[in-house]
Amino acid sequence: DIQMTQSPASLSASVGETVTITCRASENIYSYLEWYQQKQGKSPQLLVYNAKTLAEGVPSRFSGSGSGTQFSLKINSLQPEDFGSYYCQNHYGNFPTFGGGTKLEIK
Amino acid sequence: QVTLKESGPGILQPSQTLSLTCSFSGFSLSTSGMGVGWIRQPSGKGLEWLAHIWWDDVKRYNPDLKSRLTISKDTSSSQVFLKIASVDTADTATYYCVRIDSAWFAYWGQGTLVTVSA
Repeated sequence: DIQMTQSPASLSASVGETVTITCRASENIYSYLEWYQQKQGKSPQLLVYNAKTLAEGVPSRFSGSGSGTQFSLKINSLQPEDFGSYYCQNHYGNFPTFGGGTKLEIK
Repeated sequence: QVTLKESGPGILQPSQTLSLTCSFSGFSLSTSGMGVGWIRQPSGKGLEWLAHIWWDDVKRYNPDLKSRLTISKDTSSSQVFLKIASVDTADTATYYCVRIDSAWFAYWGQGTLVTVSA
């Protein structure tokens, strides 16, 4: 199995700040990496696919980068609606695996 | 407009078989490249992929659960089914149905909560 490790597990930030969440794969997954956002009580939503391509309708303040084993999701100028949990997911291995998640809270 | 909706028993007892149904609209599972899968999430915890099925009936299972999972589809009624045998309390979770675009989970259902309790 390909293990996905996210950091930090939790993060506190203020509206207007810029934050970065990282995801590390246990082996080379090239660019086969997605990011999802989940708000409290809601289903996850796709943010980024193939490491850096924004899904339809996702604001440009979100950006994904990385390849190989190291990836990051950057959120510029945090908005109130950005708070929630974020998950990375790889689709390179025999089956999809998710990171443990990062909970982004309001400071 | 793509929609997916999960349905399940709500609560069941240990050792029973969990049967879940995903009813979808806005696409056809007979279209080449299309896939539908299941992901679950225990309360307050992370996401776990369970299984998915492709338009050509190819199936993939989480190896950790494979012996207990069965996924199937009824293309004519736009439904996908998942059965989990011999459930226990560790199977208590919200179960999501997802549409797979290429290899990512582009559309999610609202989820259905399943509680396993004696």
